[in-house]
Order: sequence, then structure tokens, then C-alpha cells
Amino acid sequence: KNQVEQSPQSLIILEGKNCTLQCNYTVSPFSNLRWYKQDTGRGPVSLTIMTFSENTKSNGRYTATLDADTKQSSLHITASQLSDSASYICVVRDNAGNNRKLIWGLGTSLAVNP
Amino acid sequence: GAGVSQSPSNKVTEKGKDVELRCDPISGHTALYWYRQRLGQGLEFLIYFQGNSAPDKSGLPSDRFSAERTGESVSTLTIQRTQQEDSAVYLCASSLGGTFSEQYFGPGTRLTVT
Repeated sequence: KNQVEQSPQSLIILEGKNCTLQCNYTVSPFSNLRWYKQDTGRGPVSLTIMTFSENTKSNGRYTATLDADTKQSSLHITASQLSDSASYICVVRDNAGNNRKLIWGLGTSLAVNP
Repeated sequence: GAGVSQSPSNKVTEKGKDVELRCDPISGHTALYWYRQRLGQGLEFLIYFQGNSAPDKSGLPSDRFSAERTGESVSTLTIQRTQQEDSAVYLCASSLGGTFSEQYFGPGTRLTVT
């Protein structure tokens, strides 16, 4: 079972609409949580990095929330654009001892249609 | 400045051949990561270099895989006796290092083993 699970697996929305992507994790102890955007054929690009003490962080039309108690995060995209079509990946940093690794979710594939 | 670059962008090889993939990180970045991404799958950590420390090789799937890094510059990932299951996109990322530093990804090398 993946320690970082994302939903939905894929999503189609119309241009201009809002959407929210979910990330649930079981990684513990937890250091930080990141959201990445990966365009087709490209490497991932960081959108936000949040520590356990941060509840909300925005980056333009992207707003990430984090509830460290329930181990849930969401990424909200406002007024979607065609260029938002990509895979959005949730990544959690495992802070257990010397085994500090990034645990990658499988991503949500978002398609924004005109 | 220039981002992370990788070469070649595409590589088709016959089963059993050796391949070498190259990564040029962002200048000044002490940390360098290699990941594998199979079609429709999440990123799979392979190996991590940080400065002069011994690399974290815990993600390498078999002894056919190896990687080297020259100081804080170029890295090469070598896959010996390639198998069809090695077909994937191999992504390299670099960062300034540290728990919260952002990883910057290259465009990846798409490896196809026939």
C-alpha cells in the first residue's frame, strides 16, 4: 500500500472552473509535503512546500492546504486554464531517522478542456 | 541560469546492451537525485548524491544499475545488460541540499529496450 495516495486518479474540467485534488498520507514522522506539476514529457516542477505547522499556502491560482492531524492535503486550482492540464503529484518527506526520503504519490491527471 | 539538462533525450537499445545516461545539474547544487518513472506510474527513487557523502543507493533495483557523480557536477547512470522492464523515463533532479530545498528536474531520458 502506497504511503501517499491521491484522488481522483484523473479529472476533466472545463476551462475557467475550479477543482480540488486530494492527497492522503500515512508517512510518519513527517517533515514536509510538496505538490508538483508535471507536464507531459517534462520533469516535475514544484508548486508548494508545506511544513507540518502550515495550514495553507498559495502560489498564484494554486492553493494547498494541509491538516497534519488527519494527514490530508488538498490542492485547489482556481479559474483553470488550458495550461493547467498536467499531472499533479503529492510528495511527502519521510523524516524517520537517517532514512529521509521523498515518498511520491502516483498523481492526479488533470485535463482542462475549452 | 541554465536548468538541469539530461542526455540523450531518447534512447532505444537492444536487450542485453549497456546504456549510459547523463545528467548536468544546476551549478552550485550539492544534491543530485535519479528517479525512474514507468509509464503511468509514480516516480521511483533510485539514488541520491549529497556533496562528498557516500551516495544513498537504496533505491537501485538491481546490481545492473550504478551511478557516479564527479564532485558536484555531472552524474551518469549506467544500466548494464538492459532488460525490457528497464524501459522508462529516467529523471534527474538537483537541489541546494537540505530538508526543505526544492528539487529542480531535468526533462528526462526516455529509455526503450527492445
